Amino acid sequence: DAKTTQPTSMDCAEGRAANLPCNHSTISGNEYVYWYRQIHSQGPQYIIHGLKNNETNEMASLIITEDRKSSTLILPHATLRDTAVYYCIVGARGGSNYKLTFGKGTLLTVNP
Amino acid sequence: DTGVSQDPRHKITKRGQNVTFRCDPISEHNRLYWYRQTLGQGPEFLTYFQNEAQLEKSRLLSDRFSAERPKGSFSTLEIQRTEQGDSAMYLCASSLATGSQDTQYFGPGTRLTVL
Repeated sequence: DAKTTQPTSMDCAEGRAANLPCNHSTISGNEYVYWYRQIHSQGPQYIIHGLKNNETNEMASLIITEDRKSSTLILPHATLRDTAVYYCIVGARGGSNYKLTFGKGTLLTVNP
Repeated sequence: DTGVSQDPRHKITKRGQNVTFRCDPISEHNRLYWYRQTLGQGPEFLTYFQNEAQLEKSRLLSDRFSAERPKGSFSTLEIQRTEQGDSAMYLCASSLATGSQDTQYFGPGTRLTVL
């Protein structure tokens, strides 16, 4: 699986958009970009995934660059409850591609 | 709540004791995964099941660890002769693996402390 690079930490003001970057320059053509987050002492929570098109759901938007070497997770209106570690993970889907390889993620702190 | 559940949520044991954790996946999910997470690190893959078959074990899973999913539904993870280095959060996830789906959903985890 391709490796990802994320900033160690970021801050965001409550109510503002949080933009979390991720570099995955060695991503393969069949690999997806997944985002999970983990609030302190809880299990990781799935947020969104995408292959090459931008994606949006009720939680967030995922913007993937045209060359697919980087992506940005956008939380449009961050709240205090969005404070968590955010993991960007790259991997293929289906078949024998079964495991998620987590890095250390980005600690996002939303400030009042 | 129809999410992944794990039991117990916390376990404190003495070194050398055996412990067993249970995971109940989302109904109809055919894949079940176990991960381990130590302080300050992201989760690390341990093993996974496709229905009742255990198809992969990480080298992190020493011979003191055993996992089962006897009927393709719930799973248990047993650690024999626990060591202090086994202290960690043990996470279970499940997914419905089809041609277009394989998103893993995690449970709340079991936090193990070995004294």
